[in-house]
Amino acid sequence: DAGVTQSPTHLIKTRGQQVTLRCSPKSGHDTVSWYQQALGQGPQFIFQYYEEEERQRGNFPDRFSGHQFPNYSSELNVNALLLGDSALYLCASRQGAYNEQFFGPGTRLTVL
Amino acid sequence: GEDVEQSLFLSVREGDSSVINCTYTDSSSTYLYWYKQEPGAGLQLLTYIFSNMDMKQDQRLTVLLNKKDKHLSLRIADTQTGDSAIYFCAERRSQGNLIFGKGTKLSVKP
Repeated sequence: DAGVTQSPTHLIKTRGQQVTLRCSPKSGHDTVSWYQQALGQGPQFIFQYYEEEERQRGNFPDRFSGHQFPNYSSELNVNALLLGDSALYLCASRQGAYNEQFFGPGTRLTVL
Repeated sequence: GEDVEQSLFLSVREGDSSVINCTYTDSSSTYLYWYKQEPGAGLQLLTYIFSNMDMKQDQRLTVLLNKKDKHLSLRIADTQTGDSAIYFCAERRSQGNLIFGKGTKLSVKP
C-alpha cells in the first residue's frame, strides 16, 4: 500500500498564476481533506471532499477550489496566487467514519 | 478561544522521558490526535484517543486526557535522538476536520 501520495513534490509559481495540486488517497479511503501549512505553523484546514462533493470548508477564500474524482483522488486549485500562498499543502485521507486520518508528504508551493 | 495551544519547544536528554502538553478548545471533540513531523516531511500519525478515555498506551507512547480541563499530553518513554521532530496535537471537530496546534519542537540531546 503506497499510502497517501501527492504530486508534485515542489512547485514554484509567480504571483497571479494558477496552480493545481494532486492527491491520491490511501487504498480503501474515500474521504480526502486538504490542509495548508505555513512555515512554523500547524496545518490549517482548507476543505474536505466525500462522494465527489465539497462537504466542509475552512476559512479560505474562493480562490481555493477543489475536485474529487470517481476514483477518490482529488485536486486542489488555487487561482490568482499571492505571496502568502507559499506553504506546504497537505492532503489527508480516511475511510468513512474511521478516525485514523493519514497524511501525504505534501507539496511545497513557493510563490515569487 | 479557537486555538489549540502547545508549548513551542522541549529539550530532553537521550533516555529520559519527554512530556508534551496540549490544551484544546472544543469539549465536543470526539477524537484527539498526536502527529509527528520530521524536517521536510509530511505528518505521521502517532496515536489518537477517544474522548471517553483517560489514557492510552502504545509501546513507548502514553496519552493522557483530562476532558474536564481539555488537556492532552503525550509521554515518550526512553526518548531517542530519532524522536527529535515537531509534534502536533489536533482535535477532531464534529464535522470531521482537524484543528492543529502550532507544534512542539522536541530536541533530544545525546
